Amino acid sequence: GQSLEQPSEVTAVEGAIVQINCTYQTSGFYGLSWYQQHDGGAPTFLSYNALDGLEETGRFSSFLSRSDSYGYLLLQELQMKDSASYFCAVRGYSTLTFGKGTMLLVSP
Amino acid sequence: DGGITQSPKYLFRKEGQNVTLSCEQNLNHDAMYWYRQDPGQGLRLIYYSQIVNDFQKGDIAEGYSVSREKKESFPLTVTSAQKNPTAFYLCASSLRTSGSNEQFFGPGTRLTVL
Repeated sequence: GQSLEQPSEVTAVEGAIVQINCTYQTSGFYGLSWYQQHDGGAPTFLSYNALDGLEETGRFSSFLSRSDSYGYLLLQELQMKDSASYFCAVRGYSTLTFGKGTMLLVSP
Repeated sequence: DGGITQSPKYLFRKEGQNVTLSCEQNLNHDAMYWYRQDPGQGLRLIYYSQIVNDFQKGDIAEGYSVSREKKESFPLTVTSAQKNPTAFYLCASSLRTSGSNEQFFGPGTRLTVL
């Protein structure tokens, strides 16, 4: 089976940098994905790491260490609109297994 | 515009009734998925389908059924056997199951069983 751990809530102020960590235990691992979900909305894809290292997409970066079964999502220059839930998800051969999500609260 | 539609957005049913949730996509994706989300929880996989007329159980399939008669459509039936059906249901699709890094989600259906 698969299990993922991520903090339930993180708070930060506008303009700051925040890191959301994710550790996982899995029997089959193809990569780690990150999704954003605003309250009551549809999750949207942010990033995917199949190999160790950092992937950068604008203000968002994602990191993976396969040997440590660990990844993180880094959000820079935080904006109020970044207030949302962020989910890490392990990609197996055919499916995704999601963590319980981290609620990010950005204050002025 | 390509995307995934789910209807209705809100659905109310009496306990003991079966209910079918609609999911349609025009992205020409082979793979489709159904997830359930409870408050403060992540997404849990109910069923997924890799091709027409084929589907597999996910982690929490008990009390649910699906069909995949057309590539574009993947309806989910919540049966009376589902003990706690009140939840937010999300449909998703991807180009294929293996090798596809991104899933595209519909807006969801919030089901309340009274």
